[in-house]
Amino acid sequence: DGGITQSPKYLFRKEGQNVTLSCEQNLNHDAMYWYRQDPGQGLRLIYYSQIVNDFQKGDIAEGYSVSREKKESFPLTVTSAQKNPTAFYLCASSMATGITGELFFGEGSRLTVL
Amino acid sequence: GESVGLHLPTLSVQEGDNSIINCAYSNSASDYFIWYKQESGKGPQFIIDIRSNMDKRQGQRVTVLLNKTVKHLSLQIAATQPGDSAVYFCAESKGYQFYFGTGTSLTVIP
Repeated sequence: DGGITQSPKYLFRKEGQNVTLSCEQNLNHDAMYWYRQDPGQGLRLIYYSQIVNDFQKGDIAEGYSVSREKKESFPLTVTSAQKNPTAFYLCASSMATGITGELFFGEGSRLTVL
Repeated sequence: GESVGLHLPTLSVQEGDNSIINCAYSNSASDYFIWYKQESGKGPQFIIDIRSNMDKRQGQRVTVLLNKTVKHLSLQIAATQPGDSAVYFCAESKGYQFYFGTGTSLTVIP
């Protein structure tokens, strides 16, 4: 089945540690995104990538880093510089713009800082 | 950034009744308006979208209405079922930019 796979589903991190969240898609989508979801708030964009080897900062990029070495993969690293990393992280992908408004989401990764 | 808001944070409906969830948006230049359903602990699931040049679009048990005059978007769910209980949120998009509302929690009472 085509879709987006995020891993791990749950992750615990000690303060001062970097962690990397995996996101893989087999939908052949060009664009991929990382969002952060906190209770009572709308999704906030961390980073997005339109094509391989290119990505742009979103509204809350500080303390995060990404790479896009392959079309299928868009990993997110939560660095120790992110002061409040506990959240639900969602990866998404979309087809070329103008075709549809649909954004396909993964099942999310819940990060908890101990 | 863009502002996409919802009129009510919670909505309770009786099983079998119709549900209406509303959303206000601010960007008249958006290409699409989209509704998502999110169950607890899961990723959002696409329900339906509507292009900005349309007023109404119907899917299976769902209808989306777009009123560009007052910048209002609504999702109607017919014959609401217990499985429809979830958080619903609207979004608007232009190109690669998506802007999301905070969500309405729908509870279906058996």
